[in-house]
Amino acid sequence: GAVVSQHPSWVICKSGTSVKIECRSLDFQATTMFWYRQFPKQSLMLMATSNEGSKATYEQGVEKDKFLINHASLTLSTLTVTSAHPEDSSFYICSADLDWKQFFGPGTRLTVL
Amino acid sequence: GNSVTQMEGPVTLSEEAFLTINCTYTATGYPSLFWYVQYPGEGLQLLLKATKADDKGSNKGFEATYRKETTSFHLEKGSVQVSDSAVYFCGSGAGSYQLTFGKGTKLSVIP
Repeated sequence: GAVVSQHPSWVICKSGTSVKIECRSLDFQATTMFWYRQFPKQSLMLMATSNEGSKATYEQGVEKDKFLINHASLTLSTLTVTSAHPEDSSFYICSADLDWKQFFGPGTRLTVL
Repeated sequence: GNSVTQMEGPVTLSEEAFLTINCTYTATGYPSLFWYVQYPGEGLQLLLKATKADDKGSNKGFEATYRKETTSFHLEKGSVQVSDSAVYFCGSGAGSYQLTFGKGTKLSVIP
């Protein structure tokens, strides 16, 4: 139980385009989901906390107009990287809360050319 | 702010060797400490945790003790297996939220 999936697992896009990443809790409902970013050989950095039906809470230094988060249902949160640039290339990981524990998705590798 | 420092990998061991992955933390107050494991193609999974000083977390033969005096939470296993090959992340946080992670240590166990 407590499985979290992400789609796509990897994506390559051109600079200036937007990319949407989905995070789904497959066998439970999650009021709260989290989005992380991981650069090569770096820690996972929390980007934002997503609450179903309300606006996401972004960490300091994360541009909310660039990283749009929508949590419209209890099993789905989406992260849209708008007008992506090469510096946005990274590994994006989501997690979903169940009983005050975080269950992580496998991550999405984004490469912006 | 909070931070976690863990030994850089990759670490390569032979099967049945002893494993230590060092982890130290800085935090205000007394955070909970965690070790997560990420197997290839999968998400991070909680391996073990400790919520207060001198607590020992253990799971699947892995152990780590919360040492307040040295601000450490080193991961150990007496005899590693090939199936333990994965990336291990040390983390701290207020409960299971507001997690701060180390950079991860990749472990490869060879037969």
